[in-house]
This record gives sequence, structure tokens and C-alpha cells, in this order.
Amino acid sequence: DAGVIQSPRHEVTEMGQEVTLRCKPISGHNSLFWYRQTMMRGLELLIYFNNNVPIDDSGMPEDRFSAKMPNASFSTLKIQPSEPRDSAVYFCASILGAGKRTDTQYFGPGTRLTVL
Amino acid sequence: AQSVSQHNHHVILSEAASLELGCNYSYGGTVNLFWYVQYPGQHLQLLLKYFSGDPLVKGIKGFEAEFIKSKFSFNLRKPSVQWSDTAEYFCAVKPPGNEKLTFGTGTRLTIIP
Repeated sequence: DAGVIQSPRHEVTEMGQEVTLRCKPISGHNSLFWYRQTMMRGLELLIYFNNNVPIDDSGMPEDRFSAKMPNASFSTLKIQPSEPRDSAVYFCASILGAGKRTDTQYFGPGTRLTVL
Repeated sequence: AQSVSQHNHHVILSEAASLELGCNYSYGGTVNLFWYVQYPGQHLQLLLKYFSGDPLVKGIKGFEAEFIKSKFSFNLRKPSVQWSDTAEYFCAVKPPGNEKLTFGTGTRLTIIP
């Protein structure tokens, strides 16, 4: 299994530009999570989906952030417009599904975002 | 809502020393507990997990953790650390059947050769 796939691995952009991060969960997993990791705030859950439906987006910092999951094998996290304080590593994770014995989250390699 | 505390922010040990990293959680009901490790520049990987049964859980790379319900703790241990254990360690908790994991702030472990 290829595991959770994220792209790009590194992104450098200028303030005000739109940034789109991509994630492909493990095949067959039906829950997907977006996290942000910074030195100051640690690992924060931004949003998660169950069966492509957003369940909890309370961690999304503000309206500049949006996430979609158009199908079971793809999700995007978009920041528009980006700001320097958005610089962080963004992780995507997936699990098989709620209530199952093997409900362990598997993380992708992350996207390191730098906003200048 | 659940929360997780990792009181050790940075631990420095020599090789072959014994390790214990603290993790305490607050939640009124049954929980699933996890330890993840993040090696420098890499993503989080699962070390071990507890769902039910034997409260002493063995994970990969010689790590183990003990769930003590009365103390709301799930401390991570290793009898003899190696330089390659240098990493950041995260404790996490969630209610069974709920996908949302709550992570602690992490403990940075530095092993001196």
C-alpha cells in the first residue's frame, strides 16, 4: 500500500497568493483529516471528513481556509489569500472508519508551506 | 472534550539510559490511547496503541506503554534508548468510535551518543 500521499511536499509562495494542498488517502479509508503543525501551537486538527462529508471544521483558523473532498480518493486544503503566519507543515491523515477495531490514523509525509 | 498533557517538553538522555515519557489525559469515559513518533523531517508514525485488554502495550522498536486508568495516564517507556530514538513523541487520545484524535503538545527526545 502506498500510504497517504500528499503533494506538493514543499511549497514556497508569496503573501496574497492562493495555495492548494492535495491529499490522497489510503484506498478504502473513509475518514480523512487535515492537521497543521507549528512550533508555537504543535499539532492542530483543522478539519475532518467522514465519507467525503465535512464533520468538524472547528479548527479551521479563518475564512481564508477551505477544504473539500470531492470523492473518496482526493481532498484539497486551500488557503486564499495566504499570509506569512500560515507557514507550517500541513499533514493529511486517514483511517478506515469509525468504530472499527483498526481505527488508527495513518499520516502522510506532509507539505511544508512557506509564505514569504 | 478530551485533553492530553505531556509535561516533559524536552528530554535529553545518554544512550542505554532508560526512558519514561509522561502522558495524562482528561476524559470521563472509555478512551483509545496512542503514541506517535516523528523523526526529524518525517511524518508521524504509530508506535503503539491501546484499545482494551492488557493495560501493558508493546509497540515497535522496543517501546511499551502502560495504561493506568486510576491515574488517567499512558506513559511511554523503553528500557534502553538508542541514538536513533531521537525524535518527537506525541501522545493522543480519542473516545472509541470517534475519529477525532486529540494530541498532546509533544516531547522532544534527544539521545546523546
